[in-house]
Amino acid sequence: GENVEQHPSTLSVQEGDSAVIKCTYSDSASNYFPWYKQELGKGPQLIIDIRSNVGEKKDQRIAVTLNKTAKHFSLHITETQPEDSAVYFCAASYYSGGYQKVTFGTGTKLQVIP
Amino acid sequence: ETGVTQTPRHLVMGMTNKKSLKCEQHLGHNAMYWYKQSAKKPLELMFVYNFKEQTENNSVPSRFSPECPNSSHLFLHLHTLQPEDSALYLCASSPGNMNTEAFFGQGTRLTVV
Repeated sequence: GENVEQHPSTLSVQEGDSAVIKCTYSDSASNYFPWYKQELGKGPQLIIDIRSNVGEKKDQRIAVTLNKTAKHFSLHITETQPEDSAVYFCAASYYSGGYQKVTFGTGTKLQVIP
Repeated sequence: ETGVTQTPRHLVMGMTNKKSLKCEQHLGHNAMYWYKQSAKKPLELMFVYNFKEQTENNSVPSRFSPECPNSSHLFLHLHTLQPEDSALYLCASSPGNMNTEAFFGQGTRLTVV
């Protein structure tokens, strides 16, 4: 089955600096890679996603890159703000049997220091 | 608000109790999921229902019993749980389309005493 590794497990940055979270996956069948943000007391919410036919995607201060050959994908947050503090999960998934089979990473706790 | 509602938000139960968790979505999604989230572990998929039919059971102990009466509602019936079952239980739903994200509820924080 799919195995997703995520690093680092914790990350502290100064407000305004950039944050980078890296993930690797093992199953070449995975072709959809969502990133979720989970704030305290809430469920994970999608912040950005990338499909395997794309190498990079950007949405304002958030960007995601995908290297299919190396099976690596990364989340980049620029100009970090205190409200970016949360736990971030990467995931690798593929479609089978009428639904997405999703495997999550272990999460990165991001702390943005004002 | 993601459109996926879970109740209750918090639950404390004894090991001999029977309780149920409820999940509801009116997003028109056909797939619904139960996940378990424990500290320092990846989100663990427990069950998947697609069009009310259970399509995945990830070797979950029988003390957890899911029920999906229709595509909008999902339950997780709990009985004779163990303290190690204490966790955040998350429900999610997704459309039947390829490469679309799952929408999560707020979760039920379960404590087994």
